[in-house]
Amino acid sequence: KAGVTQTPRYLIKTRGQQVTLSCSPISGHRSVSWYQQTPGQGLQFLFEYFSETQRNKGNFPGRFSGRQFSNSRSEMNVSTLELGDSALYLCASSSPMRATVVSEQYFGPGTRLTVT
Amino acid sequence: QKEVEQDPGPLSVPEGAIVSLNCTYSNSAFQYFMWYRQYSRKGPELLMYTYSSGNKEDGRFTAQVDKSSKYISLFIRDSQPSDSATYLCAMSADGDMRFGAGTRLTVKP
Repeated sequence: KAGVTQTPRYLIKTRGQQVTLSCSPISGHRSVSWYQQTPGQGLQFLFEYFSETQRNKGNFPGRFSGRQFSNSRSEMNVSTLELGDSALYLCASSSPMRATVVSEQYFGPGTRLTVT
Repeated sequence: QKEVEQDPGPLSVPEGAIVSLNCTYSNSAFQYFMWYRQYSRKGPELLMYTYSSGNKEDGRFTAQVDKSSKYISLFIRDSQPSDSATYLCAMSADGDMRFGAGTRLTVKP
């Protein structure tokens, strides 16, 4: 089975721009979660989507948004980029039999975003 | 105070040593406890997943949860150079997931 894939792997953007990241979950997984990882703050939960609905949300400003499509693929959007948004953005998918964010999650390799 | 505290290390041990990694937490609502391993330039990989207090063993890995003390541990027996990675503890309650900062482990041959 193919793992979680994320595109692009690397991205450089300028302050004020917006960015869209993409995640394709493992086939059959309906839950997709997004995380931000930085050296200072560690891994922080952004939001989780299940069957095209946002089910859980972390403590991030409204500039961070996401969506999930009917094929479970998910996108994350960050508008009005700030320097502090530079991070590794990780996507994780979960098995449909354990449809909560607490379940075993399989992570993708991440998208490394640099904001200049 | 962070909800999840984890010593970032770095931790360096010789091959074959027993490694002990720990996390403490403050939120008594946490019910699920996980350990992830993250190699450089890769996403985290789930190692262990426990629900209740007690021990869970999987090969060379043992996860221990003490809810009364709000303390979880991961033990690695007969450590190998391939175990060199960052280990993250994670815990969740009602769909809210929290991670520790991660401990960087190096196992020297």
